[in-house]
Order: sequence, then structure tokens, then C-alpha cells
Amino acid sequence: QSVLTQPPSVSAAPGQKVTISCSGSNSNIGSNYVAWYQQFPATAPKLLIYENNKRPSGIPDRFSGSKSGTSATLGITGLQTGDEADYYCGTWDSSLSASVFGGGTDLTVL
Amino acid sequence: QVQLQESGPGLVKPSQTLSLTCTVSGPSISSGTRYCNWVRQPAGKGLEWIGHIQTSGNTNYNPSLRGRVTISADTSKNQLSLKLTSATAADTAMYYCAVWFGELQNEFWGLGVLVTVSS
Repeated sequence: QSVLTQPPSVSAAPGQKVTISCSGSNSNIGSNYVAWYQQFPATAPKLLIYENNKRPSGIPDRFSGSKSGTSATLGITGLQTGDEADYYCGTWDSSLSASVFGGGTDLTVL
Repeated sequence: QVQLQESGPGLVKPSQTLSLTCTVSGPSISSGTRYCNWVRQPAGKGLEWIGHIQTSGNTNYNPSLRGRVTISADTSKNQLSLKLTSATAADTAMYYCAVWFGELQNEFWGLGVLVTVSS
């Protein structure tokens, strides 16, 4: 059971927009920055979003992040088949003094 | 160019110590803002944070692994190490190192190394 809750799967058509939610509590999302990761099968995760809504160099602006209270959201616009991957949210949990991840969301582009 | 490479035995016997090294090519792990993490992922499952060491040398560990895990850094070799004692089959996973470089505003991951705990 993950500390952060994500939907197991989401799907949308090419060109459309999709959002992936990440729900936590006051001790984690509510008081710390959120990051988002993209992972293709048999490859290492890649940082997509850090500090809630910032993109590292090279990440397209089709990817966006937001946070409100104890929840965070990853948005992907102009969906492409190449976006099919697992997406994870992560943050620091001040009560646990540990980093925590969501269970991951499998994105399908229909 | 930043590159991380994990290395270590791919097979560990139960009750033995799992030991891995992460070699960082590029910026020094001992300067600037660094969070040097170890993360693992059992086959078909999600990511599990193991712990990290900061530039200051301060460490934090996953509470579920506290007491078994030690993360350290050899700054002369620009390497991180992970030691997990009393290994069991539940420790079988792909192990990744990941380092946040503050001045680059980015986090880089190694390709990962598969470790199987079995007799």
C-alpha cells in the first residue's frame, strides 16, 4: 500500500489531454514539493516535473504539474503514442523522514 | 554529460549482504546541492525509495529498511554505495541510483542493476 495514491490506469486518445492525480496527506504533499517521473518498460524512470510544476531542461511543455492542498496533478496535452508509459508521483514525507512514491499510473494512448 | 552506472553482484544468497556501487560521471557528488538516492523496483511493481545521502553526509532511510541499510559516498571516486544486510527473497528487485544536481535543476538515474536473492 503506497503512501501516495494514484489511479492504476488512465487512457485517452492521441492529441487529447490527460490528467493523473496523486493524493497524499498534510505530512507529505501538503507540506513538501512534488515530483513526477515517467518510466517506459524495462528502462529507468526519468524526472518530468520537480518542485510541483517545474520542468527540467529538455522536457516538453506538453507536460505540466500542479498542486493543491494534499493533492497533485500531472497534465499531458497533445497526447502521443510515445507517451504510453508508467507515471509516478513522489515527495518527501516529513512524518516518516523519508521519500515516498505513488503506486504508479499506466497511461494508454488509444 | 552526467552518467550514473550501478554495479554489483546480480545474485545474493539469503541472509547475506547485498552490496552495490553507483559510479557518477560528470559533476562531483561532494559539491553543490546533492541528494544521492537509491531506489528499487521489484519486477512488475512500483518504485520503492531505499534512502539517500546528502552533500553534508546526512543520511535518511526508508523506515521499512532502517537497521538493514547503509548508504555511503566515496567522494574521491565519485561513487555511492548501498549495503543491505540480511537479504531475503523480498529484496529481489531492480536497483537504481539517482542523483539530484541542484545547479542543473535535474535528477539523473542510472540504468539499474537486477539483484536476485536466492540460494
